[in-house]
Amino acid sequence: GAGVSQSPSNKVTEKGKDVELRCDPISGHTALYWYRQRLGQGLEFLIYFQGNSAPDKSGLPSDRFSAERTGESVSTLTIQRTQQEDSAVYLCASSRRLAGAVYEQFFGPGTRLTVL
Amino acid sequence: AQTVTQSQPEMSVQEAETVTLSCTYDTSESDYYLFWYKQPPSRQMILVIRQEAYKQQNATENRFSVNFQKAAKSFSLKISDSQLGDAAMYFCAYRSARGAQKLVFGQGTRLTINP
Repeated sequence: GAGVSQSPSNKVTEKGKDVELRCDPISGHTALYWYRQRLGQGLEFLIYFQGNSAPDKSGLPSDRFSAERTGESVSTLTIQRTQQEDSAVYLCASSRRLAGAVYEQFFGPGTRLTVL
Repeated sequence: AQTVTQSQPEMSVQEAETVTLSCTYDTSESDYYLFWYKQPPSRQMILVIRQEAYKQQNATENRFSVNFQKAAKSFSLKISDSQLGDAAMYFCAYRSARGAQKLVFGQGTRLTINP
């Protein structure tokens, strides 16, 4: 079946503009994650959605970052008033989720964001 | 908070040889999971192997195996019979068995395969 998809693949924006990044998880995956990967670095956790539970926003770096997810489908990560330090690859992952079990996180190809 | 450290920014190996990538982590938890992910230039993260902390036996997946030393908080990846397709960034990651579902990643090791 189809994997995790993300759009756009690349986004170039000017400092101060708002951007929206989209993630389509694998059908049936109730858990969805956003990570940020700065150049030459590992991935940093941003936010986690699980079904209808309140999201875990503990990784969001500032109040300029927000994310939404409608049910168990598409998620949108929004960055307001972008700064050059926001330039990075933003990766989305999804997984199944059952209490007491650990399922593999499947990653999308990411969106490369460049803030000029 | 948990941290993951990969002390080798770059490694290289001859094709068909064996290479070991190092990873150490810090946690106060006793129950957790460890992973190695591969990231080729396409950016897509691919799970290579996983290890449950409660298991003493080291995980193995074909040419990939780990050396899990819980007391030393060490989790190295061994790649045998290296192939050109193994060239990529490799990331070690930690996940708590309870609570937070997030993965905590190391900085990565860039592996080059020399033909």
